[in-house]
Amino acid sequence: ETGVTQSPTHLIKTRGQQVTLRCSSQSGHNTVSWYQQALGQGPQFIFQYYREEENGRGNFPPRFSGLQFPNYSSELNVNALELDDSALYLCASSTDSTQPQHFGDGTRLSIL
Amino acid sequence: TQLLEQSPQFLSIQEGENLTVYCNSSSVFSSLQWYRQEPGEGPVLLVTVVTGGEVKKLKRLTFQFGDARKDSSLHITAAQPGDTGLYLCAGERNEKLTFGTGTRLTIIP
Repeated sequence: ETGVTQSPTHLIKTRGQQVTLRCSSQSGHNTVSWYQQALGQGPQFIFQYYREEENGRGNFPPRFSGLQFPNYSSELNVNALELDDSALYLCASSTDSTQPQHFGDGTRLSIL
Repeated sequence: TQLLEQSPQFLSIQEGENLTVYCNSSSVFSSLQWYRQEPGEGPVLLVTVVTGGEVKKLKRLTFQFGDARKDSSLHITAAQPGDTGLYLCAGERNEKLTFGTGTRLTIIP
C-alpha cells in the first residue's frame, strides 16, 4: 500500500478525443511525477510537478499537460489522442524530488 | 529511446537456480534504483545504490553499482516463484528518473 491512488483503473477512448487521468497522493507529498509505460517497456518520464509548478519535462509533446492541486492531487491531460498513446500511465509522489517515489497502480488507457 | 538497457529482456528459470540481471548505460547517474513490478500494479522500490562500487544485499538479492556509476547488476540466489515479475532499473540524474527497458523474470516451480 503506497498511499497513491489513481483513477480510473481502465479507460477506453477513440482517436482525437481528450482524456483526464487523476492521481491522489499522500499528505505532505509535494512532488508528483507522471510516467507512460507502453506494453513490454519501462516507464518513460512525462513531467514532474512540485508545489503546483512544473519542475521538469520529458520528451512528450505539448498535448500532454498536467496540473497539481494544493490537496496533493494531480491530473494528467492528453488532447488529440493518438493510437500510440495506448499505455499504462503511472503517477508517483514523494515529499520532495530527492526522496524515493511511491507509485500508484496506474491507469490503463486504450485508444481505438 | 531508453538510455538504460537491461539484459536479458526475458528470463525463465527453475526454482532454486541463480540469476543475474544487468542494467547498462553510457551515462553517469547520481544513483541507481531497482524496482519490481507485478501485473496490474505500479513499480515497487527494492533498493537505491548511490556510491560507485556499492554493493547492497536484501535477503537473496544482491545489488551492485558499477565503479563509474553507469551500470548495475541484480543477482538473485536460489530463485523462488515469488520472485516472478518485471524488474526495472532506474537511473537518477538532476532529481529525475530514467527507467531501463525491463527484464521479465519467470521462476518455474
